[in-house]
Amino acid sequence: KNEVEQSPQNLTAQEGEFITINCSYSVGISALHWLQQHPGGGIVSLFMLSSGKKKHGRLIATINIQEKHSSLHITASHPRDSAVYICAVAGNQFYFGTGTSLTVIP
Amino acid sequence: EAGVAQSPRYKIIEKRQSVAFWCNPISGHATLYWYQQILGQGPKLLIQFQNNGVVDDSQLPKDRFSAERLKGVDSTLKIQPAKLEDSAVYLCASSSRGRNTEAFFGQGTRLTVV
Repeated sequence: KNEVEQSPQNLTAQEGEFITINCSYSVGISALHWLQQHPGGGIVSLFMLSSGKKKHGRLIATINIQEKHSSLHITASHPRDSAVYICAVAGNQFYFGTGTSLTVIP
Repeated sequence: EAGVAQSPRYKIIEKRQSVAFWCNPISGHATLYWYQQILGQGPKLLIQFQNNGVVDDSQLPKDRFSAERLKGVDSTLKIQPAKLEDSAVYLCASSSRGRNTEAFFGQGTRLTVV
């Protein structure tokens, strides 16, 4: 069993839709990272959070430490949001989810 | 601010050959990570440096993989000899003070072993 589970694995949305990607983890952590990886590209850090909620533009990340769960929301999705979104948790080491592949259709 | 620089971007080698990857982290970042990402999987930590010391290399296949960060700045990751299953993207990341600070990733090196 992976220490970090993401859902869904694949997601297709129409432009403008509200998108939610979920991450559950089973280890004790000090921080959780949401990362974005474009095809053929490197990884970009979107958020690092250890409690509550953070917002950057159309992206919102929340974390519930007690439930060991985090969500990444994208409001008013756009085709340029198409990418793989990876949840990573910082415990005694970094644990990564396998990613959620998002495709936003115009 | 310059990001994490990695080279080369792509490399194709035959099995049993050797290969080396280079990473220059963000200036001032004490922590440097090397990850291996096999297609369809999340990244797997190979090694973590704090300055020029190794913090975690528990998942590094030490019989064929080696890494160094001699002056606590840039780093090289070497595979010798390469196997087909080493085909992956090798990502370098850096952070200012370890796992509880934001990590910045390079573009990665895509290695194909044939």
